[in-house]
Amino acid sequence: EVQLVESGGGLVQPGGSLRLSCAGSGFTFSNYAMSWVRQAPGKGLEWVSVISGGGGSTYYADSVKGRFTISRDNSKNTLFLQMNSLRADDTAVYYCAKGVRGVPLYSGMDVWGQGTTVTVSS
Amino acid sequence: QSALTQPPSASGSLGQSVTISCTGTSSDVGGYDYVSWYQHFPGKAPTLLIYEVNKRPSGVPDRFFGSKSGNTASLTVSGLQADDEADYYCSSYTANNNFVAFGGGTKLTVL
Repeated sequence: EVQLVESGGGLVQPGGSLRLSCAGSGFTFSNYAMSWVRQAPGKGLEWVSVISGGGGSTYYADSVKGRFTISRDNSKNTLFLQMNSLRADDTAVYYCAKGVRGVPLYSGMDVWGQGTTVTVSS
Repeated sequence: QSALTQPPSASGSLGQSVTISCTGTSSDVGGYDYVSWYQHFPGKAPTLLIYEVNKRPSGVPDRFFGSKSGNTASLTVSGLQADDEADYYCSSYTANNNFVAFGGGTKLTVL
Protein backbone atom coordinates (compact mmCIF):
# COMPACT_ATOMS: atom_id res chain seq x y z
CA GLU A 1 0.00 0.00 0.00
CA VAL A 2 1.30 3.44 -0.94
CA GLN A 3 1.42 5.52 2.22
CA LEU A 4 2.76 8.77 3.66
CA VAL A 5 2.95 9.40 7.40
CA GLU A 6 3.82 12.83 8.78
CA SER A 7 5.21 13.58 12.21
CA GLY A 8 6.82 16.41 14.11
CA GLY A 9 3.97 18.85 14.54
CA GLY A 10 3.24 20.58 17.84
CA LEU A 11 2.99 23.84 19.73
CA VAL A 12 5.83 26.31 19.27
CA GLN A 13 6.31 29.93 20.29
CA PRO A 14 6.55 32.72 17.70
CA GLY A 15 10.08 32.91 16.39
CA GLY A 16 10.71 29.27 17.17
CA SER A 17 11.59 26.31 14.95
CA LEU A 18 10.09 22.94 14.14
CA ARG A 19 11.07 20.09 11.83
CA LEU A 20 8.40 18.02 10.14
CA SER A 21 9.05 14.55 8.75
CA CYS A 22 7.13 12.46 6.24
CA ALA A 23 7.87 8.76 5.84
CA GLY A 24 6.93 7.18 2.54
CA SER A 25 6.31 3.50 1.81
CA GLY A 26 4.92 1.30 -0.94
CA PHE A 27 6.60 3.15 -3.81
CA THR A 28 10.07 4.01 -5.11
CA PHE A 29 10.46 7.19 -3.08
CA SER A 30 13.37 8.66 -5.03
CA ASN A 31 11.47 8.55 -8.32
CA TYR A 32 8.93 11.19 -7.36
CA ALA A 33 8.77 14.88 -6.56
CA MET A 34 7.38 15.55 -3.10
CA SER A 35 5.50 18.57 -1.79
CA TRP A 36 4.28 20.14 1.43
CA VAL A 37 0.81 21.70 1.48
CA ARG A 38 -0.87 23.36 4.46
CA GLN A 39 -4.33 24.39 5.54
CA ALA A 40 -4.75 27.11 8.14
CA PRO A 41 -7.87 26.99 10.35
CA GLY A 42 -10.90 28.02 8.33
CA LYS A 43 -8.83 28.57 5.19
CA GLY A 44 -8.17 26.73 1.96
CA LEU A 45 -5.23 24.64 0.83
CA GLU A 46 -1.93 26.47 0.36
CA TRP A 47 1.05 24.95 -1.41
CA VAL A 48 4.26 25.41 0.61
CA SER A 49 7.20 23.75 -1.15
CA VAL A 50 8.31 21.07 -3.61
CA ILE A 51 11.51 19.05 -4.03
CA SER A 52 12.65 16.95 -6.96
CA GLY A 53 13.16 13.21 -6.68
CA GLY A 54 16.91 13.53 -6.38
CA GLY A 55 16.66 16.53 -4.07
CA GLY A 56 18.57 18.89 -6.34
CA SER A 57 15.68 21.24 -7.15
CA THR A 58 13.51 23.01 -4.62
CA TYR A 59 10.85 25.71 -4.80
CA TYR A 60 8.96 27.65 -2.13
CA ALA A 61 5.86 29.76 -1.72
CA ASP A 62 6.66 33.43 -1.19
CA SER A 63 5.04 33.22 2.26
CA VAL A 64 7.74 30.83 3.53
CA LYS A 65 10.73 31.64 1.36
CA GLY A 66 13.84 32.23 3.45
CA ARG A 67 12.28 30.67 6.57
CA PHE A 68 11.44 27.09 5.53
CA THR A 69 13.73 24.48 3.98
CA ILE A 70 12.56 21.32 2.26
CA SER A 71 14.87 18.31 2.03
CA ARG A 72 14.74 14.56 1.63
CA ASP A 73 16.72 11.47 2.58
CA ASN A 74 16.03 8.91 -0.13
CA SER A 75 17.99 6.23 1.71
CA LYS A 76 15.35 6.48 4.46
CA ASN A 77 12.36 7.29 2.22
CA THR A 78 11.77 10.42 4.27
CA LEU A 79 10.83 14.00 3.41
CA PHE A 80 11.51 16.91 5.76
CA LEU A 81 10.39 20.48 6.28
CA GLN A 82 12.58 22.62 8.52
CA MET A 83 10.55 25.60 9.69
CA ASN A 84 12.34 28.56 11.29
CA SER A 85 11.19 32.00 12.43
CA LEU A 86 7.69 30.69 12.83
CA ARG A 87 4.81 33.14 12.94
CA ALA A 88 1.21 32.88 14.08
CA ASP A 89 0.04 32.71 10.49
CA ASP A 90 2.06 29.52 9.98
CA THR A 91 -0.46 27.76 12.21
CA ALA A 92 -1.97 25.04 10.05
CA VAL A 93 -2.31 21.37 9.31
CA TYR A 94 0.69 20.42 7.19
CA TYR A 95 0.35 17.65 4.62
CA CYS A 96 3.08 15.96 2.64
CA ALA A 97 2.09 14.78 -0.80
CA LYS A 98 3.61 12.65 -3.54
CA GLY A 99 3.84 14.00 -7.05
CA VAL A 100 2.17 12.12 -9.86
CA ARG A 101 5.51 12.09 -11.67
CA GLY A 102 9.17 12.73 -11.06
CA VAL A 103 9.19 15.31 -13.82
CA PRO A 104 7.69 17.84 -14.05
CA LEU A 105 7.90 18.75 -10.40
CA TYR A 106 4.23 19.61 -10.33
CA SER A 107 1.43 18.10 -12.39
CA GLY A 108 -0.69 16.86 -9.49
CA MET A 109 -0.29 15.12 -6.12
CA ASP A 110 -1.76 11.64 -5.94
CA VAL A 111 -0.94 10.45 -2.42
CA TRP A 112 -1.33 12.55 0.72
CA GLY A 113 -0.45 11.98 4.34
CA GLN A 114 -2.97 12.39 7.12
CA GLY A 115 -1.47 15.72 8.16
CA THR A 116 0.34 17.02 11.22
CA THR A 117 -0.79 20.09 13.15
CA VAL A 118 1.51 23.02 13.80
CA THR A 119 0.37 25.68 16.25
CA VAL A 120 2.42 28.85 16.67
CA SER A 121 1.37 30.66 19.80
CA SER A 122 2.80 32.15 22.96
CA GLN B 1 -6.29 36.13 -1.92
CA SER B 2 -5.87 32.93 -3.94
CA ALA B 3 -4.07 33.04 -7.26
CA LEU B 4 -6.78 30.93 -8.93
CA THR B 5 -10.44 31.97 -8.70
CA GLN B 6 -13.15 29.47 -7.81
CA PRO B 7 -16.76 30.13 -6.80
CA PRO B 8 -17.03 29.71 -3.01
CA SER B 9 -20.05 27.45 -3.36
CA ALA B 10 -21.88 25.27 -5.84
CA SER B 11 -24.90 23.02 -5.60
CA GLY B 12 -26.81 20.43 -7.54
CA SER B 13 -29.55 17.89 -7.04
CA LEU B 14 -29.03 14.19 -6.57
CA GLY B 15 -28.35 12.59 -9.93
CA GLN B 16 -27.78 15.90 -11.70
CA SER B 17 -24.51 17.47 -12.86
CA VAL B 18 -22.57 20.45 -11.58
CA THR B 19 -19.55 22.27 -13.00
CA ILE B 20 -16.99 24.12 -10.91
CA SER B 21 -14.81 26.70 -12.62
CA CYS B 22 -11.23 27.69 -11.89
CA THR B 23 -9.97 30.88 -13.51
CA GLY B 24 -6.31 31.82 -13.74
CA THR B 25 -4.08 33.53 -16.26
CA SER B 26 -1.85 32.66 -19.17
CA SER B 27 0.95 32.19 -16.61
CA ASP B 28 -0.77 29.25 -15.01
CA VAL B 29 -4.03 27.61 -16.13
CA GLY B 30 -3.94 28.99 -19.65
CA GLY B 31 -0.28 28.40 -20.29
CA TYR B 32 0.28 24.87 -19.05
CA ASP B 33 -1.59 21.57 -18.95
CA TYR B 34 -0.75 21.06 -15.27
CA VAL B 35 -4.17 21.70 -13.76
CA SER B 36 -5.31 19.31 -11.04
CA TRP B 37 -8.43 18.99 -8.91
CA TYR B 38 -8.76 17.70 -5.34
CA GLN B 39 -11.67 16.59 -3.18
CA HIS B 40 -11.33 17.42 0.50
CA PHE B 41 -13.50 16.30 3.37
CA PRO B 42 -12.81 18.35 6.55
CA GLY B 43 -10.43 16.54 8.85
CA LYS B 44 -9.30 14.14 6.13
CA ALA B 45 -6.46 14.16 3.65
CA PRO B 46 -7.29 15.63 0.23
CA THR B 47 -7.63 13.18 -2.65
CA LEU B 48 -6.64 13.71 -6.27
CA LEU B 49 -9.55 13.62 -8.71
CA ILE B 50 -7.99 15.00 -11.89
CA TYR B 51 -4.42 15.75 -12.97
CA GLU B 52 -2.95 17.29 -16.10
CA VAL B 53 -6.31 18.90 -16.93
CA ASN B 54 -8.31 15.78 -17.74
CA LYS B 55 -6.58 12.61 -16.51
CA ARG B 56 -8.20 10.51 -13.82
CA PRO B 57 -6.11 8.45 -11.39
CA SER B 58 -7.13 4.82 -11.13
CA GLY B 59 -10.07 4.42 -8.79
CA VAL B 60 -11.63 7.81 -9.51
CA PRO B 61 -15.07 7.32 -11.09
CA ASP B 62 -15.65 8.66 -14.58
CA ARG B 63 -18.39 10.85 -13.09
CA PHE B 64 -15.56 13.31 -12.50
CA PHE B 65 -14.46 15.09 -15.67
CA GLY B 66 -11.84 17.79 -16.13
CA SER B 67 -11.46 20.24 -18.98
CA LYS B 68 -9.88 23.56 -19.87
CA SER B 69 -10.64 26.46 -22.18
CA GLY B 70 -8.28 29.40 -22.30
CA ASN B 71 -7.48 30.56 -18.79
CA THR B 72 -10.36 28.66 -17.18
CA ALA B 73 -10.38 25.05 -16.09
CA SER B 74 -13.52 23.19 -15.10
CA LEU B 75 -14.47 20.17 -13.04
CA THR B 76 -17.79 18.55 -13.91
CA VAL B 77 -19.35 16.09 -11.50
CA SER B 78 -22.18 14.11 -13.04
CA GLY B 79 -24.69 11.79 -11.39
CA LEU B 80 -24.34 13.69 -8.11
CA GLN B 81 -24.33 11.55 -5.00
CA ALA B 82 -24.81 12.57 -1.39
CA ASP B 83 -21.21 11.71 -0.55
CA ASP B 84 -19.94 14.13 -3.20
CA GLU B 85 -20.58 16.88 -0.65
CA ALA B 86 -17.09 18.17 0.03
CA ASP B 87 -14.69 20.99 -0.70
CA TYR B 88 -13.11 21.00 -4.14
CA TYR B 89 -9.85 22.72 -4.98
CA CYS B 90 -8.16 23.38 -8.28
CA SER B 91 -4.43 23.82 -8.59
CA SER B 92 -1.94 24.62 -11.31
CA TYR B 93 1.72 25.03 -11.96
CA THR B 94 2.44 28.73 -12.31
CA ALA B 95 5.31 30.53 -13.97
CA ASN B 96 4.93 33.27 -11.39
CA ASN B 97 6.95 33.33 -8.18
CA ASN B 98 4.98 30.78 -6.24
CA PHE B 99 5.47 27.80 -8.60
CA VAL B 100 2.16 26.18 -7.58
CA ALA B 101 -1.16 28.00 -7.18
CA PHE B 102 -4.34 26.78 -5.52
CA GLY B 103 -7.84 28.08 -5.89
CA GLY B 104 -9.74 29.21 -2.82
CA GLY B 105 -11.93 26.11 -2.86
CA THR B 106 -15.58 25.44 -3.68
CA LYS B 107 -17.99 23.92 -1.20
CA LEU B 108 -20.29 21.56 -3.08
CA THR B 109 -23.75 20.95 -1.67
CA VAL B 110 -25.92 18.11 -2.96
CA LEU B 111 -29.58 19.00 -2.64
